[in-house]
Amino acid sequence: DAGVTQSPTHLIKTRGQQVTLRCSPKSGHDTVSWYQQALGQGPQFIFQYYEEEERQRGNFPDRFSGHQFPNYSSELNVNALLLGDSALYLCASSLEAERRETQYFGPGTRLLVL
Amino acid sequence: GDSVTQMEGPVTLSEEAFLTINCTYTATGYPSLFWYVQYPGEGLQLLLKATKADDKGSNKGFEATYRKETTSFHLEKGSVQVSDSAVYFCGTSYGKLTFGQGTILTVHP
Repeated sequence: DAGVTQSPTHLIKTRGQQVTLRCSPKSGHDTVSWYQQALGQGPQFIFQYYEEEERQRGNFPDRFSGHQFPNYSSELNVNALLLGDSALYLCASSLEAERRETQYFGPGTRLLVL
Repeated sequence: GDSVTQMEGPVTLSEEAFLTINCTYTATGYPSLFWYVQYPGEGLQLLLKATKADDKGSNKGFEATYRKETTSFHLEKGSVQVSDSAVYFCGTSYGKLTFGQGTILTVHP
């Protein structure tokens, strides 16, 4: 049973650039959530996708956008990168029918903005 | 919105010591409660969960009880091992997870 996978594992960008991170959910899951984890902090909710639409959004600017594909995989896009966007970006998948149940996390993509 | 407050760390213990990591939350309604663990360089792994008041979640010797009256979900383990060294996150969920700031646990032989 394949778990949540993310790519790439590491990424280095410069300020002002754009980045796309990718996530494949656990087999059978239909909902994908994205979190940002700054160094030494707990993960912060960015947004959640279900049925190819953004369903919930945390307190992040519009520079952060996403997409969900028909196969439930998802992308996180960040435009006009700032130094403060350096963080571990975590993807989590779950099943809509069990909304309050467990979210399963991928290993994350570590983004460094120089 | 919801918030989670965890016991400040880091916590340093000797092997076989008793562990408690405090977690309290504020929420409207009754969310599900979780403890996740993060090992160095990795993502988050579910440790245990509870979905309603008075439920006890348990896994690998760790336990936590959903206390509605005190809005708490404290993590306990009777005898820690070196391999338990990690960062522990308490969280609430109505579909999106809200996490505490994390507690670093270091266990020495």
